[in-house]
This record gives sequence, C-alpha cells and structure tokens, in this order.
Amino acid sequence: AQRVTQPEKLLSVFKGAPVELKCNYSYSGSPELFWYVQYSRQRLQLLLRHISRESIKGFTADLNKGETSFHLKKPFAQEEDSAMYYCALKESNYQLIWGAGTKLIIKP
Amino acid sequence: GAGVSQSPSNKVTEKGKDVELRCDPISGHTALYWYRQRLGQGLEFLIYFQGNSAPDKSGLPSDRFSAERTGESVSTLTIQRTQQEDSAVYLCASSPNSGGAVNEQFFGPGTRLTVL
Repeated sequence: AQRVTQPEKLLSVFKGAPVELKCNYSYSGSPELFWYVQYSRQRLQLLLRHISRESIKGFTADLNKGETSFHLKKPFAQEEDSAMYYCALKESNYQLIWGAGTKLIIKP
Repeated sequence: GAGVSQSPSNKVTEKGKDVELRCDPISGHTALYWYRQRLGQGLEFLIYFQGNSAPDKSGLPSDRFSAERTGESVSTLTIQRTQQEDSAVYLCASSPNSGGAVNEQFFGPGTRLTVL
C-alpha cells in the first residue's frame, strides 16, 4: 500500500543548528513528493516539490529512491521556521497521500 | 485576490445532528478537495471535484457524508447524524489543476467541528 511516514511528531532544535525533517514513502511507481508547511495561525501551504529541485526559505529536499526518502533539510535553522511540516506523495493525477506531520520548534 | 474561504470557522454540535460546511474556492480554480484532519494525524482525503466531471467520492467514510459543488464555485460538505468520531478539522483546498499533473493546492483555514 502507498504510504507516507513522518517518524517524528516533534523536532526541537536550537537556532542556527541544522534541521532534518524525515519523510519515508512506499510507492510502486515513480514517486512525486511535496512538502507543505503550516505556520502558526496560518493556512497550510506548499513549501516545495521535488520535481522543481528548488530551495525555498533555505530548505531543500532530495528524493532518495534507494532509501525511499524525501527528507527536508536546512543547514541553519531560524526561529521563523517553527511550524508544522507535512510530507505528501502523489497517488494519482490529483490525489496526494499525506504524512501525519512533524512539529518543528526552533529554540532561541 | 482572496484565498479559499471556509465557514463556519468553528462548529459545535450535538451527536445526531446534521451539519453543513461551506467552502468558497479561489475564483477560476477548477479543482476542489475536501479533507478531514483528526488531531495529531495527517490529512485524510474525502472528495474531489474537477469542473463538471463526476466527483471522486472514494474517500467519504460513510453514507452520512456527502458533498456538492455547483459548477466551479461554492462547495458544501454535509455530515448527517453526526457522531463523536466526526470531530476533526475539515479542510478545503482548490487548485488550478486540470489533470495530468498535481498542481499546488491552496488551502482554506478549515472548519473545526466538535461533536458532543
């Protein structure tokens, strides 16, 4: 079955430290993955997608097919990065399968 | 322009009552999604509308749940005879997607439903 796993419900790091939010997936085809973010009192919004190979707000995510992972990384965390982060996998032309989310807290 | 709006923002109801949740998508977005998010869990797909095509209702958990959309505008999600397990945040999203690729979904603020 297709599935997205975010093993950490909560991740807390100090400002300036590196951040890695883990996402693992199971999918039989060629995966297409996304990271969405929800800041406090704001709406869920797209952060980045792997096909774009983009860096948004200093975050990058590399698709590792061998490890079936799509971890989100940032070398130096900032306080404004505190948010809920969701990893999502394309299941069909329009459907996404969502992970349970990781709450990231950046300590000053 | 305005984003996706949802109403009400909060709804408290008694078990057994019917509720209706509303979503106004971004103008011009042909695709509209409803999701349910229980506390501490990910988004659970409920239903998908694309233009005038037949909706994908495969995510609706029971026949107590139904949704309608008029053309490419407002959608309503109705839950009949609510149960306590229906308590969740109901999220609506719209997308300019017209098939062939998964485009960005733009989310509303959600409706928090509490069934007592």
